[in-house]
Amino acid sequence: SQELEQSPQSLIVQEGKNLTINCTSSKTLYGLYWYKQKYGEGLIFLMMLQKGGEEKSHEKITAKLDEKKQQSSLHITASQPSHAGIYLCGAKGDSGGSNYKLTFGKGTLLTVNP
Amino acid sequence: SAVISQKPSRDICQRGTSLTIQCQVDSQVTMMFWYRQQPGQSLTLIATANQGSEATYESGFVIDKFPISRPNLTFSTLTVSNMSPEDSSIYLCSVTHGAGNTEAFFGQGTRLTVV
Repeated sequence: SQELEQSPQSLIVQEGKNLTINCTSSKTLYGLYWYKQKYGEGLIFLMMLQKGGEEKSHEKITAKLDEKKQQSSLHITASQPSHAGIYLCGAKGDSGGSNYKLTFGKGTLLTVNP
Repeated sequence: SAVISQKPSRDICQRGTSLTIQCQVDSQVTMMFWYRQQPGQSLTLIATANQGSEATYESGFVIDKFPISRPNLTFSTLTVSNMSPEDSSIYLCSVTHGAGNTEAFFGQGTRLTVV
């Protein structure tokens, strides 16, 4: 089965600093999703990556999928307190009957100090 | 995108009782899923809710414990039956518009505490 490892597990940064969160898969990624979760709440969809080398940005958040499609990174530029939360990466299974299922990493807890 | 409404948002229940969680979507969606997020853990897929037929359960989850309904393309329910403290989790509804690599959206979750 596919496993996703996120690093770091937690991160504390000063407001205005840049940061990167990584997500590494044990298998080839056929669809990589990034979500943000406020404590005890639902998931907010951030971005989806599919192609090797793909990069997407939204406001101050950029996500990349490496050429080999086994690792993704999420980069936040000039972090703000509003960026605080748990960041989760999720991956679709391979082709076939299980390709709609999402497997998730354990999350990265981000704290941004003002 | 899809706007997903889950009810209740949170509840505290006595052990041995059952709770039904509702998931309402503002548009017709192809697939609906139920996930569980235990304290300090990531999300685990419980089952796929199939319209008009029995849900497809993942390993470790059974229909008697987590009965699921999906009467149409916009609504589903998950029941947590005969609850124990180990069932204390956040339960999340998720939807997609297709079976392939399409965006997957989540509801705001139901935070369940069993005492």
